[in-house]
Amino acid sequence: EAGVAQSPRYKIIEKRQSVAFWCNPISGHATLYWYQQILGQGPKLLIQFQNNGVVDDSQLPKDRFSAERLKGVDSTLKIQPAKLEDSAVYLCASSFTSSYNTQYFGPGTRLTVL
Amino acid sequence: SQQGEEDPQALSIQEGENATMNCSYKTSINNLQWYRQNSGRGLVHLILIRSNEREKHSGRLRVTLDTSKKSSSLLITASRAADTASYFCATALNSGGSNYKLTFGKGTLLTVNP
Repeated sequence: EAGVAQSPRYKIIEKRQSVAFWCNPISGHATLYWYQQILGQGPKLLIQFQNNGVVDDSQLPKDRFSAERLKGVDSTLKIQPAKLEDSAVYLCASSFTSSYNTQYFGPGTRLTVL
Repeated sequence: SQQGEEDPQALSIQEGENATMNCSYKTSINNLQWYRQNSGRGLVHLILIRSNEREKHSGRLRVTLDTSKKSSSLLITASRAADTASYFCATALNSGGSNYKLTFGKGTLLTVNP
């Protein structure tokens, strides 16, 4: 079974530029999550999708971050414009449903904002 | 804010020894999960313990949960160099309907020396 795919693995941008990350979850998983993990901390949930609908985006900085999952499969997370404090690893995870289920994580995208 | 707090922040042991990591949390939970993260990689689910369970085993892993003290411990027996990683506890809270949200702690960095 293929795991959660993410690209790119690494990205370096200047502040005020925009960047986009892509995630393809495990086939058949209805729930998709984007997390931000700052160095030395645990992952923080940014947004959760159930199929193509948003379930929780309470911690998403909506003035600069946006995410979509148009066909209920893959997803993109965008930052525009980026700030220095956005430097982090962005992790995508998926689960069969959102009820109790184990989350399967992708390898992450390491973003450096200069 | 992060729900779980792991203790210690870092732990260094010799191969063959046991490693114990603790997690404390603040509010009632539905279940508690432990994840491992190798350097530069995504998180891998290790074990889930439900709020009505007190102890669970999986291979060399033993997890306990004390809901009265709002704490959990992860024991890795007969550690190996390959167990070197960061370990995170994550608490699952119902966030509405059948949806559950995971909140991660800051993690314990375990180093197993050969």
